[in-house]
Amino acid sequence: KNQVEQSPQSLIILEGKNCTLQCNYTVSPFSNLRWYKQDTGRGPVSLTIMTFSENTKSNGRYTATLDADTKQSSLHITASQLSDSASYICVVIGHNFNKFYFGSGTKLNVKP
Amino acid sequence: EAGVAQSPRYKIIEKRQSVAFWCNPISGHATLYWYQQILGQGPKLLIQFQNNGVVDDSQLPKDRFSAERLKGVDSTLKIQPAKLEDSAVYLCASSSEGEITDTQYFGPGTRLTVL
Repeated sequence: KNQVEQSPQSLIILEGKNCTLQCNYTVSPFSNLRWYKQDTGRGPVSLTIMTFSENTKSNGRYTATLDADTKQSSLHITASQLSDSASYICVVIGHNFNKFYFGSGTKLNVKP
Repeated sequence: EAGVAQSPRYKIIEKRQSVAFWCNPISGHATLYWYQQILGQGPKLLIQFQNNGVVDDSQLPKDRFSAERLKGVDSTLKIQPAKLEDSAVYLCASSSEGEITDTQYFGPGTRLTVL
């Protein structure tokens, strides 16, 4: 069964600290993996898109990594800001029929 | 560039009533998606259109949900009759060609509460 599991479910960090969110998946074969940021009450916003051949992709203070062999991805946030408080969703797009498989998200709370 | 527009933003109905949501994608985007997001979960794809044709509706509960995209632009999603478990945020998203690495742009969503 194709699944996307994210951890931790929720995380609280202090402003200025770094954090890493995890995504494990069983979708196979897959064509690309995405990380989205979803602020409360708003739609998700794309942060990074990585194809199966890419190992890392950065977008400002956000860096995503991908290990296709172990089927793991991580999203690293550097020097966190209060505005980083949101849910972060990992999405894996299957190669067959281009199906989207969404994780349940990690809820990040950055405190001053 | 204007984003994906959705209306209404909030809707409260009683079970067994019907409801409709509207989505206007980014101009020129060929692919349109409707998702259901239950509180605390990731979005679940309900239906994907490419222009005005359906690409994937395998997770759409067709006995009560319907969607159309006339003329390949705006789209409406209807629920009739609504059940308590339909309480969720309904997200619309669009992408330019539906290519596998195209960025999806999401609207703000419609929060539906079924009492």
